[in-house]
This record gives sequence, structure tokens and C-alpha cells, in this order.
Amino acid sequence: QSVLTQPPSASGTPGQRVTVSCSGSSSNIGSNYVYWYRQLPGTAPNLLIYKNDQRPSGVPDRFSGSKSGTSASLAISGLRSEDEADYYCAAWDGSLSNWVFGGGTKLTVL
Amino acid sequence: EVQLVESGGGLVQPGGSLRLSCAASGFTFSNYWLTWVRQAPGKGLEWVANIKQRGSEKNYVDSVKGRFTISRDGAKSSVYLQMNSLRVDDTAVYYCAREGREAAGFDYWGQGTLVTVSS
Repeated sequence: QSVLTQPPSASGTPGQRVTVSCSGSSSNIGSNYVYWYRQLPGTAPNLLIYKNDQRPSGVPDRFSGSKSGTSASLAISGLRSEDEADYYCAAWDGSLSNWVFGGGTKLTVL
Repeated sequence: EVQLVESGGGLVQPGGSLRLSCAASGFTFSNYWLTWVRQAPGKGLEWVANIKQRGSEKNYVDSVKGRFTISRDGAKSSVYLQMNSLRVDDTAVYYCAREGREAAGFDYWGQGTLVTVSS
């Protein structure tokens, strides 16, 4: 049981916009930044969004993040087949003194 | 170019020990927190431990407290994870990651090393 809650799966067709949600609590998302990571099959994760809505250099603006209260969302617009991957949210939890991850969302491009 | 290269994984019996290493290059090692994250087969990511720039602060997930120890060696630009009293549920790919400055997240990751705990 992950501290942050994500839907296990999401899907969309090429060109569509999809969103992935991440729900937490006051000790993590409610009081700290949210991060998003993408993991392609058989590879290490890579950083997609930091500080709720910032994109590292090289990440296309098709990817965007937002946060409201104790929840956050990742939006992917102009969906492409190469976006098929597992997506994880993460935040620092001040009560646990731990980083916590969501359980991951497997995105399928139909 | 920033690189993180893990080593030391392998097969170990329950109750045994293993020491993972992560060699860093391409950045000023002493300026960054370093983290270990693991992923059990077919499962999601789980943060394990992290260590502050000069090792003065360390944090662990509850499930490894008292069994795992994170450390770092600035002279070798390496971070380590000493794992004792290993359990079957410690089986996972272990990733080393750099915590970017100014809350930039885990901005660089290694390729991972597989630890299998089995009799």
C-alpha cells in the first residue's frame, strides 16, 4: 500500500490529452513539492516534473504538472506511442522523514 | 556528463549481507544528497535511504531501519548501502540517484543492480 495513491492504469489514443492523478495527505503533497518520474520498460526512471510544475531541460512542454491541496496531476497532451510507460509521483513526507512514491500508473497508447 | 554506476548486487541467502556501491562522476560529489531507491520485480518504486552532502544526516524507510546502513566516501565519490539480515522481500533492483539542488528532485539515476534474496 503506497502512501501516495495513483490509478494503476490510464490510456488514450494518439493526439489525445490524458491526465494521471496522485493523492496524498497534509504531511506530503499538502506541504511539500510533488515530482513526477517516467519509467520506460526495462530502464531506470527519469525525472519528468519537479517542484509541482517545472520541467527539466529536454522534457517537452507536452508534459505539465499541477498541484492543489493534497492532490497533484500530470497531464500529457498530444499523446504519442513513445509515451507508453509507467508514471510515478513522489513527495517528501515530513511526518515519516521519508520520500514517498505513488504506486505507479501504467499508460497505454491505444 | 553525470554518471551513477551501481555494483555489488547478486544472489544471497535470507539472513545474509550484501554491500552495494554507487560510483559517481561528472559532478561535484560533495554538493549533493544521494539516495537509494528499489523496485521489486513487477512492482513500483520504493525509496530506501538517503544521505546528506557530508554524511551528517541519513534517513531510512521503516522497513530497513536497523538492517541497512547508507554511507558515502568523498575521496572515492561513492555512496554505499550495507544490507544486513536480508529478507526475501528485499529482492529488488536497487537504483542510486542524485537529489538535485534546490529541490530539483532525483535528477540523475544509475542503471540499477539486482539483489536477489533466496534460499
